[in-house]
Amino acid sequence: EVQLVQSGAEVKQPGESLRISCKGSGYSITTYWISWVRQMPGKGLEWMGRIDPSDSYTNYSPSFQGHVTISADKSISTAYLQWSSLKASDTAIYYCARTTVTTFFDYWGQGTLVTVSS
Amino acid sequence: DIQMTQSPSTLSASVGDRVTITCRASQSISSWLAWYQQKPGKAPKLLIYDASSLESGVPSRFSGSRSGTEFTLTISSLQPDDFATYYCQQYNNYPSTFGGGTKVEIK
Repeated sequence: EVQLVQSGAEVKQPGESLRISCKGSGYSITTYWISWVRQMPGKGLEWMGRIDPSDSYTNYSPSFQGHVTISADKSISTAYLQWSSLKASDTAIYYCARTTVTTFFDYWGQGTLVTVSS
Repeated sequence: DIQMTQSPSTLSASVGDRVTITCRASQSISSWLAWYQQKPGKAPKLLIYDASSLESGVPSRFSGSRSGTEFTLTISSLQPDDFATYYCQQYNNYPSTFGGGTKVEIK
């Protein structure tokens, strides 16, 4: 069974750094890209970027380029999303999703709620 | 970026109703469109990909179609489990973009 299991909810202060994770199982993580999708409170879905875990090649949406970093460690089947300096506007649920070659999302993680507040 | 305009934003319907949700792309995306269902507090779930291909395990009451840049998700007979929010996503152009969502409520 394909599963993507994300790390738990986080509460951070503005300016702090953060890395959240997404561990894949039930398939070879090097055969699919992993994307990250943001959902701000009460809002819709926004694609942030993706990574090919086989070689860590990344694509970012222009809206998120430079604000976040996506990485992966294929040896432990895990992808990451990180911030160097959080803002209150980063408060959202972040989903990882297995990404097909044509770039739709067939399996999703359960989501990680990130709350940034002073 | 390609804009995906979903309508309606909210839809009230009864069990057994035929429900249609529309998504219009701001430019041609061929048939590179997916539909997702999201329930409160849960991750989205893939229903349809490539505009009309039913994802494995998804009930056959869900179907998708395309006419030019207009795409339709149809639920042939609404069931209690179908009350949720539905999103379209285009993956023809970078960056991939989603529609604003359609919430299907109980009438």
